[in-house]
Amino acid sequence: QLQLQESGPGLVKPSETLSLTCTVSGGSISSSSYYWGWIRQPPGKGLEWIGIIYYSGSTYYNSSLKSRVTISVDTSKNQFSLKLSSVTAADTAVYYCARRLTISTYYFDYWGQGTLVTVSS
Amino acid sequence: DIQMTQSPSSLSASVGDRVTITCRASQSISSYLNWYQQKPGKAPKLLIYAASSLQSGVPSRFSGSGSGTDFTLTISSLQPEDFATYYCQQTYTTLLTFGGGTKVEIK
Repeated sequence: QLQLQESGPGLVKPSETLSLTCTVSGGSISSSSYYWGWIRQPPGKGLEWIGIIYYSGSTYYNSSLKSRVTISVDTSKNQFSLKLSSVTAADTAVYYCARRLTISTYYFDYWGQGTLVTVSS
Repeated sequence: DIQMTQSPSSLSASVGDRVTITCRASQSISSYLNWYQQKPGKAPKLLIYAASSLQSGVPSRFSGSGSGTDFTLTISSLQPEDFATYYCQQTYTTLLTFGGGTKVEIK
């Protein structure tokens, strides 16, 4: 059974960089059938797609965050990571990692449990 | 960016009721429309993909329809475990977008 697990600091200071890692178990991140993505959800609000990465390193980002976001992959560790720079209180959210298909309608079929990141001094 | 508008934003219903949620895209997205269910404190769960295909393991009381700009998610007979928030998502463009969500509450 595929599992995804987010990890990283739960508290980040304003203007600093948020860094999270998603560890994939029960399957290979190097599969040609999937992209790996990040989605966030501010408290009490809806879902916002951040970006996705292929095992080769190819990335796509939400244009509203593109100047601050970097997603990378480490196939040797079966992990992918998110960095979001110059954070503000508006970046406080639960951050989810998820698997996205490369076929059909590109849905996210497996999700991590999510991790709350609070931006505060 | 393609905007996804869900209606209603919330609804109250009783166990056994038929519930319909609507999602409208700001431009045609063919059938690149997925539906997710989210319960408090949990990650979203995929229910329907490609507008009308039921994800494996999802009860058959859930169904989806539509294409182009107008889509619906229907729960034929609401069960206690169905009280949750439902989101549509378009994947027609690389910039994926979600609807604002529909919270289904107990009447």
